[in-house]
Amino acid sequence: KQEVTQIPAALSVPEGENLVLNCSFTDSAIYNLQWFRQDPGKGLTSLLLIQSSQREQTSGRLNASLDKSSGRSTLYIAASQPGDSATYLCAVNAGKSTFGDGTTLTVKP
Amino acid sequence: NAGVTQTPKFQVLKTGQSMTLQCAQDMNHNSMYWYRQDPGMGLRLIYYSASEGTTDKGEVPNGYNVSRLNKREFSLRLESAAPSQTSVYFCASSELRIYSNQPQHFGDGTRLSIL
Repeated sequence: KQEVTQIPAALSVPEGENLVLNCSFTDSAIYNLQWFRQDPGKGLTSLLLIQSSQREQTSGRLNASLDKSSGRSTLYIAASQPGDSATYLCAVNAGKSTFGDGTTLTVKP
Repeated sequence: NAGVTQTPKFQVLKTGQSMTLQCAQDMNHNSMYWYRQDPGMGLRLIYYSASEGTTDKGEVPNGYNVSRLNKREFSLRLESAAPSQTSVYFCASSELRIYSNQPQHFGDGTRLSIL
């Protein structure tokens, strides 16, 4: 059974810092890995999707990497802003999707 | 450009009542999904429909039924609601699972309380 773990569970940083969120998974037989953002009381917004054959994807200040052999993905956020405050979830897709519990990020002005 | 639309947004039920959560997508996606999100347990897949005319159980299907009415619509029914089904329910859609470059798109959720 696929298990997805996100560390840390919560993170608080001052504005302007670069930060890394971690996602690990137990079964490397995946189609893709997707990073989402969830604001309080809202649905999930897709940020980046990395196919199993890819190593990384970039969108603006966000960069996601994938090391399938070691079962790890990271989401790098450059020059963090208060508007980045949210919960970030990763999902591993292998026929069925398995989600981590998320990392709740707070960026302080 | 609505994406994935869920109705209702909020609902309070009494134990034993039944209700249907509605979901519609306008992206011509083949696959649709129902998840529930609970504190400390993340999102868990209840049922999914890989394509029109098919439905399959996910991780936590007990107490639920689904109907893929057509390509656009996928409904989730609680026949006899229980307090353990208090949760936030999300519907999602994507292109066929075999297309690895297609992301899932989520609705805004239905917040359901069972008293």
